[in-house]
Amino acid sequence: SQQGEEDPQALSIQEGENATMNCSYKTSINNLQWYRQNSGRGLVHLILIRSNEREKHSGRLRVTLDTSKKSSSLLITASRAADTASYFCATVPMEYGNKLVFGAGTILRVKS
Amino acid sequence: EPEVTQTPSHQVTQMGQEVILRCVPISNHLYFYWYRQILGQKVEFLVSFYNNEISEKSEIFDDQFSVERPDGSNFTLKIRSTKLEDSAMYFCASRDRPSNTGELFFGEGSRLTVL
Repeated sequence: SQQGEEDPQALSIQEGENATMNCSYKTSINNLQWYRQNSGRGLVHLILIRSNEREKHSGRLRVTLDTSKKSSSLLITASRAADTASYFCATVPMEYGNKLVFGAGTILRVKS
Repeated sequence: EPEVTQTPSHQVTQMGQEVILRCVPISNHLYFYWYRQILGQKVEFLVSFYNNEISEKSEIFDDQFSVERPDGSNFTLKIRSTKLEDSAMYFCASRDRPSNTGELFFGEGSRLTVL
């Protein structure tokens, strides 16, 4: 079974608008993390939310976690062209020990 | 700022050849990982390494793959006999604490093209 599925698969917005990406997962987790990947580059950690947290903020990022629905959302406010990238959620499933399991990602394009 | 470095950035090889991808994790980190990403697809876990041994591996990580930490700084991934389907970006990552407490730091990746 796949752990961490994002939707939408692709999102195109105008600069200044907010972007919301969602992630669903299947198993119990320790924490959920969001990463960003510019085209052809490595992954950069954005934010981590623990299973006992419901919401977290970091700059223009807001992450929510609903463990009853096994879902998370990433909101980027006042988007900029430089936010154009792929965004992945990644979970640390309770049963899988010491690894991150990534979702398929959302490709975000911010048009200037 | 400390970073994970990977070499080579791009390697082209013939099917059946051996390939070694190299990584220098962040110096005080203890947990090391290899992930791969086939073009346009999700990032897949290959293997984790802690205390000089493999702590976890995926089904992808079959006996054609091996990892090694030959000295105090390098962490290598070897593919013994490459196949066309091994073409992908390979990412090394490291962390200083167990996964349930912190983030992974990724390198920029090594693109492997198998012809």
